[in-house]
Amino acid sequence: GENVEQHPSTLSVQEGDSAVIKCTYSDSASNYFPWYKQELGKGPQLIIDIRSNVGEKKDQRIAVTLNKTAKHFSLHITETQPEDSAVYFCAASMGSAGGTSYGKLTFGQGTILTVHP
Amino acid sequence: NAGVTQTPKFQVLKTGQSMTLQCAQDMNHNSMYWYRQDPGMGLRLIYYSASEGTTDKGEVPNGYNVSRLNKREFSLRLESAAPSQTSVYFCASIHRVTEKLFFGSGTQLSVL
Repeated sequence: GENVEQHPSTLSVQEGDSAVIKCTYSDSASNYFPWYKQELGKGPQLIIDIRSNVGEKKDQRIAVTLNKTAKHFSLHITETQPEDSAVYFCAASMGSAGGTSYGKLTFGQGTILTVHP
Repeated sequence: NAGVTQTPKFQVLKTGQSMTLQCAQDMNHNSMYWYRQDPGMGLRLIYYSASEGTTDKGEVPNGYNVSRLNKREFSLRLESAAPSQTSVYFCASIHRVTEKLFFGSGTQLSVL
């Protein structure tokens, strides 16, 4: 089955700096790569996602890049703020029409991001 | 519009006890999922339901049963709880068109 590795496990930055989290996946059939943010005591919240037919996607301060050949994808957060502090998870799935398979995600181990004021 | 609602939020069981975790979504989503989250391991899929009346095993189904009661509700049952089932359990549902997964706030379960 699919295996997703995520690094680093912890990341500490100063407010205003950039943060980068990297993930690798094993199954070349995976075609959907979401990123989730989880705050303490809450469920994961989708912040951005990318599909295998796209190399990069941006949403304000957040961007995701995908390298299908190398089987890795990364989350980039620019101009970090204290409210960005949370646990971030990458994930992968082999999505197909109908939607169900997109929810069968394999998650990375998570990155604890701390943004210091 | 509450999204995905899970009950209870916290539960403590003794080894061998049984319980059912409840999940309901009000977004008219077809597919629903149960994940467990353990420290350092991310989330792992236990069971999922593509539609009302159907259920399938995920990565870690042993020790669990599920019921898709109707389109809104998907429950997870532990028949004989074991300490290895101490975890945080998340229910989720997916939008068929956007194909994005939405999670509930979780149930923290401790088995002593």
